[in-house]
Amino acid sequence: EIVLTQSPATLSLSPGETATLSCRASQSVSNYLVWYQQKPGQAPRLLIFDASRRATAIPPRFSGSGSGTDFTLTISSLEPEDSAVYYCQQRSNWPPLTFGGGTKVEI
Amino acid sequence: EVQMLESGGGLVQPGGSLRLSCAVFGVTFSSISMTWVRQAPGKGLEWVSDITDGGRTYYADSVKARFTISRDDSKNTLYLQMDSLRAEDTAVYYCAKLFRAYVPFFDSWGQGTLVTVSS
Repeated sequence: EIVLTQSPATLSLSPGETATLSCRASQSVSNYLVWYQQKPGQAPRLLIFDASRRATAIPPRFSGSGSGTDFTLTISSLEPEDSAVYYCQQRSNWPPLTFGGGTKVEI
Repeated sequence: EVQMLESGGGLVQPGGSLRLSCAVFGVTFSSISMTWVRQAPGKGLEWVSDITDGGRTYYADSVKARFTISRDDSKNTLYLQMDSLRAEDTAVYYCAKLFRAYVPFFDSWGQGTLVTVSS
């Protein structure tokens, strides 16, 4: 089973700043890494797939990078609505599919 | 726009059973693969089970032999039969659509249904 470790656990930033979230895999997942955003009381929303491809209707200030075992989600020009928990997920080696523990972003 | 509506959650005693349903709208259901993902209170996301458009199924070890995923294409509905429930199965259960068969990430999600296992 591939373990995904996200850091930091919590990120507190101000509007307009840039958030940098990390996801590290216990073994290579190539570029098969996905990012979701989950706001309180809501279902997750797909942001990024295949490490760097934005999902439909996701603004360009959300960007993903990385390959192998180290991945980054960058959110530029933070807005208050970006307050959420962000999860990474690997689809390289399944079952099982695995998620990271999440990073909470507070604006 | 794809929409999903889960139902069937509730309070059940340990050892009991429950069947969740997920009605899907806005897409040709028979051509899509589906998943169940759960989230325990205050915790992260945990994959539970997938079913392909062809009916092939996959399960997390934590639910294997206790949960059964199925689909009724004539009713555009996904199911999760949960037996021998344990306290650790307490969670919000989400159904979601796979991007494509055998490409397991999820581009549309339901709003979730809460399952509480407690005596």
